[in-house]
Parts: sequence; C-alpha cells; structure tokens
Amino acid sequence: KAGVTQTPRYLIKTRGQQVTLSCSPISGHRSVSWYQQTPGQGLQFLFEYFSETQRNKGNFPGRFSGRQFSNSRSEMNVSTLELGDSALYLCASSLDRVENNSPLHFGNGTRLTVT
Amino acid sequence: TQLLEQSPQFLSIQEGENLTVYCNSSSVFSSLQWYRQEPGEGPVLLVTVVTGGEVKKLKRLTFQFGDARKDSSLHITAAQPGDTGLYLCAGVTDSWGKLQFGAGTQVVVTP
Repeated sequence: KAGVTQTPRYLIKTRGQQVTLSCSPISGHRSVSWYQQTPGQGLQFLFEYFSETQRNKGNFPGRFSGRQFSNSRSEMNVSTLELGDSALYLCASSLDRVENNSPLHFGNGTRLTVT
Repeated sequence: TQLLEQSPQFLSIQEGENLTVYCNSSSVFSSLQWYRQEPGEGPVLLVTVVTGGEVKKLKRLTFQFGDARKDSSLHITAAQPGDTGLYLCAGVTDSWGKLQFGAGTQVVVTP
C-alpha cells in the first residue's frame, strides 16, 4: 500500500511569491491534515480537511489556505511569501477525522526555502 | 507556549542504557499518540493510548498513559543506535478537536 506522497520535496521561492504544495493521501483515507515544522516552533497545525471540507484550522494568517478534492488529494497554498515561511511542510492522512482518535500517517514533507 | 510539554529536550546516551521521555499537559486527552521522526522523513506513529493507566509495549519500548489522562511517558530499555530520532507526543482533547504536538525530545544513542 503506497504511503502519503508529497510533491515537490524541495522548493526555493523569493519573498512575495506564492506557492502550491500537493499531497496524495493513502488510498481510502478521507482526512488530510497539514503541519508546519520549524526548529523553533516544532510541529504547528495548519488545517484539516475531511470530505472536501475544512474541519479545523490552526492559528495561521489568511495567506495560508488549502483545499481537498473529491479523490481526497489535497493542496496547500501560501501567498505573498515571507522569510519566516521557510519550513518543512508536512501532510498527514488518516482514515477518519483526527478528533475521533484516528492516527496520522505522514508524508516526508516539502522543504520550502524563502529567500 | 506549548500545550504539551516534553522533557527532556535532548538526551544522549550509550548503547545498552535505558531512557525515559515525558509528556505533560494540564489538559485531559481523549487520546495520546507517540511518533518518532528521523532526519529527512515525516513522523512515524509508534503507539496510540486512549485509556487512563494504560500501558503498551512495543518490543523494547514501553508507553504509559497517566491515570488522569494528562500525561504520558515513553521508556526505552537497552537502547540501540537505531532508536536515535526525534520523539514526539501528540494529543487530542475534546476542546481542541485537532492533534497538537509537543516540541519533541531528540534522542541520540551512540555505539
């Protein structure tokens, strides 16, 4: 069974640009969550999607957005990039919603560097 | 401020020694999960605990969930270099509805 796939693995952008990250969940998983990981803040929750609807959102500005498609694949978009957005962005899928104690299966992340 | 406090932040031990990592919060969890993350990879789930007082064993790893479901510990017996990694605890509460992570404990086991 294929794991969670994130593309691209690495990305370099300049301030002010926008970026789209992609996540393909494990087949059959309906929930996709996104996290930002930095050395200083650790793993910070961005949002969770389930059945194409955003079910939960973390404390990030509106520049961070996402969506989920009917096949459960998800994309995350960051507009007007800032230097502080440099981080490892992790996507995780689960069978059911996280609030129902469904464990997460993570991809290997997209390393975003903003210059 | 982290909602889940992990201690210690860093642990360096010799192969064969034992170690314990702690995860504490003032909140009551409906479930608590432990993950291990290695460089260049995403976290990998080790265990999920849901019942207060629960103890789960995974080979040389022992996970304990506090009776009040506010804290947890991970004990590794006879650590091996392959146990090296960032250990993360994560919990869900009824009020959060989302999985919140601790800052992690970096464990280094040297031969």
